[in-house]
Amino acid sequence: DIVMTQSPDSLAVSLGERATITCRASQTLLFSSINRNYLAWYQQKPGQPPKRLIYWASTRQAGVPDRFSGSGSGTDFTLTITGLQAEDVALYFCQQYRDVPSTFGQGTKLELK
Amino acid sequence: QVQLVQSGAEVKKPGSSVKVSCKASGGSFNSHDLSWLRQAPGQRLEWMGGIIPTFTRIQYAQKFQDRLLLTADTSANMAYMELSSLTSEDTAVYFCARGDYSDFRNSFDPWGQGTLVTVSS
Repeated sequence: DIVMTQSPDSLAVSLGERATITCRASQTLLFSSINRNYLAWYQQKPGQPPKRLIYWASTRQAGVPDRFSGSGSGTDFTLTITGLQAEDVALYFCQQYRDVPSTFGQGTKLELK
Repeated sequence: QVQLVQSGAEVKKPGSSVKVSCKASGGSFNSHDLSWLRQAPGQRLEWMGGIIPTFTRIQYAQKFQDRLLLTADTSANMAYMELSSLTSEDTAVYFCARGDYSDFRNSFDPWGQGTLVTVSS
């Protein structure tokens, strides 16, 4: 199975500042024939299901604020939140869907500084 | 917009089985992957398996191959997850989630609200 490793495990950022979370895959997530990376990012708040923010590594889900952006290719990916808002405090995790079974990162807890 | 609504919390004895349902409203999942995932305390999300009802395709994660049964009722827009031979390690929140495509390599949106399954003697 593809192993997904996020860093950091937790992160404290001030309101209005930038938060950066990285995700590394043990194998490439790039499907070269279609030039797509099979990587998604989710946000999860306590007692709620995960909410998809980004898919294909950089495509923002409809309705997700544009302060959330995804980048990267191959094995290394980044989720960036620019201009942190209080409502962004949550758990964030990445998912690879290049291979079955799909696997997830361990999660990054984002808090306010 | 499709919404997924799951059945309520369950408390089960070790060795027993649990069956969780997932109903789609505002649309269907019949030609999509409807996957089941779980989130145990302190553990990362885990994909258990998926079903594509229209094509009668089912894929199980190897870990659950021997004790997981996924079914669907396309006429009722319902999917079911049955897990047998429960142990305390199966205590988790179980989610259904719809994939974008009719294969098993998907990211997921939307998700059900989750069903807490507690296994305790």
